[in-house]
Amino acid sequence: GENVEQHPSTLSVQEGDSAVIKCTYSDSASNYFPWYKQELGKGPQLIIDIRSNVGEKKDQRIAVTLNKTAKHFSLHITETQPEDSAVYFCAATDSWGKLQFGAGTQVVVTP
Amino acid sequence: KAGVTQTPRYLIKTRGQQVTLSCSPISGHRSVSWYQQTPGQGLQFLFEYFSETQRNKGNFPGRFSGRQFSNSRSEMNVSTLELGDSALYLCASSLTGYGEKLFFGSGTQLSVL
Repeated sequence: GENVEQHPSTLSVQEGDSAVIKCTYSDSASNYFPWYKQELGKGPQLIIDIRSNVGEKKDQRIAVTLNKTAKHFSLHITETQPEDSAVYFCAATDSWGKLQFGAGTQVVVTP
Repeated sequence: KAGVTQTPRYLIKTRGQQVTLSCSPISGHRSVSWYQQTPGQGLQFLFEYFSETQRNKGNFPGRFSGRQFSNSRSEMNVSTLELGDSALYLCASSLTGYGEKLFFGSGTQLSVL
């Protein structure tokens, strides 16, 4: 089945700096790659997603890049703000349409 | 538009008991999927229902079951509870399912003593 690895597990950045989280996947048939943000006491919230036929997607301060050949995808957050502090999860759907999540990255933005 | 509603928010059970969790999806969403979240194993897929039919199933024992009603509301049941079943159980709804564009509820925190 699909295996998704996510790095780093924790990331501390100064407000205004950029944050990058990287994920790799194993199933070459995977074709959908979402990113979720989870705040304390809440369920994960979809922040951006990308399909395998697209190399990059941007939404305001958030961007995702996908390298199908290398089987890795990354989340980029620019001009970080304290409200960006949360746990971020990458995920990939396997060939059966099941979503496999990475282990998560705790992002802390310090003022 | 109301979000995904899960009840109850917290549950405390003892080993051997069974439990039923409830999920009301966003209006118009026909797919409901369930996930287990623990500090050690992270987010793991349990199953997905679409129009009252189970469409996908994760690698969990048969003690974990679910169903979906004609109004798309879903329940999951865990029988013969074990200590290791303590977790946050999350429900997510979507228009198309298959893991795409999920809207999660806040979850049910289950503690098994």
